[in-house]
Amino acid sequence: AQSVTQLGSHVSVSEGALVLLRCNYSSSVPPYLFWYVQYPNQGLQLLLKYTTGATLVKGINGFEAEFKKSETSFHLTKPSAHMSDAAEYFCALWGDSSYKLIFGSGTRLLVRP
Amino acid sequence: GAGVSQTPSNKVTEKGKYVELRCDPISGHTALYWYRQSLGQGPEFLIYFQGTGAADDSGLPNDRFFAVRPEGSVSTLKIQRTERGDSAVYLCASSFGPPLRENLDEQFFGPGTRLTVL
Repeated sequence: AQSVTQLGSHVSVSEGALVLLRCNYSSSVPPYLFWYVQYPNQGLQLLLKYTTGATLVKGINGFEAEFKKSETSFHLTKPSAHMSDAAEYFCALWGDSSYKLIFGSGTRLLVRP
Repeated sequence: GAGVSQTPSNKVTEKGKYVELRCDPISGHTALYWYRQSLGQGPEFLIYFQGTGAADDSGLPNDRFFAVRPEGSVSTLKIQRTERGDSAVYLCASSFGPPLRENLDEQFFGPGTRLTVL
């Protein structure tokens, strides 16, 4: 069975501080992994994705994530948080012969001034 | 260019009623997906269309739910005899091509339809 676990439903950081959003996965086949961001009343937007190749993936808005197979993790980071980063973030997995993305339950990022 | 659009943005209905939710994908996208997002949860897959046909409807929760895409573009999600547990945000996404491991196109999401069943 495939699953995605996001630790922490809410994460609060100060503006300028490091952002770390955690994602662990379970998959019987090599996974493709994604991070999406959702702003209020807007659709999900792809931040970055890992399919094959380099395990450190850079995305939009200064975010990056590292695929660590030994830890079954794909944590999202950003060196310095901006107020505009406040949103909900979803980690997702695509890996087997089905057609669906499997999402985690999401982490709401709060950025304090 | 226009993204994925969904109508209505909000729908309030009474238990037992029938509802239709519409999705307009990005022009030229052959793949279309429906997801359901309950409060405090991530999106859950419902159904995937490639062209006009439903290639995977394994996520539909029961036979009250049905979706069509008759001309390979616009799709309608239909829910019969709505129940309070159907209340959620229904998301539509589209991608240029089918989800293939050797070439996985990005899924572009619409803003969703918030369904409230009283």
